[in-house]
Amino acid sequence: QSALTQPASVSGSPGQSITISCTGTSSDVGSYNLVSWYQQHPGKAPKLMIYEVSKRPSGVSNRFSGSKSGNTASLTISGLQAEDEADYYCCSYAGSRGVFGGGTKLTVL
Amino acid sequence: QVQLVESGGGLVKPGGSLRLSCAASGFTFSDYYMSWIRQAPGKGLEWVSYISSSGSTIYYADSVKGRFTISRDNAKNSLYLQMNSLRAEDTAVYYCARDPKGDYGMDVWGQGTTVTVSS
Repeated sequence: QSALTQPASVSGSPGQSITISCTGTSSDVGSYNLVSWYQQHPGKAPKLMIYEVSKRPSGVSNRFSGSKSGNTASLTISGLQAEDEADYYCCSYAGSRGVFGGGTKLTVL
Repeated sequence: QVQLVESGGGLVKPGGSLRLSCAASGFTFSDYYMSWIRQAPGKGLEWVSYISSSGSTIYYADSVKGRFTISRDNAKNSLYLQMNSLRAEDTAVYYCARDPKGDYGMDVWGQGTTVTVSS
């Protein structure tokens, strides 16, 4: 059960936009519009930021957006803020299992 | 408020067993799918197991299949993970999470409980 592929790290300056990719296969990301994204600060539990590819839970800033093309999903954070510095994980429905990406460390310069 | 609280973690020897619990409050537990997710020290998230709202549908990651058993008691608003034949690679923080649609979009997470497998 291979994990989804994410870049290990990305960085950006305050106010800029960044995009984190999440590449899977035709058995997971490519087959279902059921990709979610989680933010995790050090020592804390993950927090749901995006579900069903592009939907935002109540209370999540509209600076966070999601999309998908083929086997790759993406999370875009616009207007970067210091508090966005965290680890980000994608997760895809794959039928009888869930599969996470390896995680991306976002550094706000 | 909506809350999940895990318990039952600890230090166990290889080959040993442990039972994790997750107490739910602030929502109708029996309406929701639930999952266990773990995170080894310094590593990423790994989905472990999933149970439907009624308990009739259960899935496991290959890494724990045959060793771990997920269950729930809707009358007690509780989720469980029975872990047998524990290995060093099972060392992790274990989170329970609520999954409204059963599609691994998990909207509420507990604070986690730490399991350490070591001799």
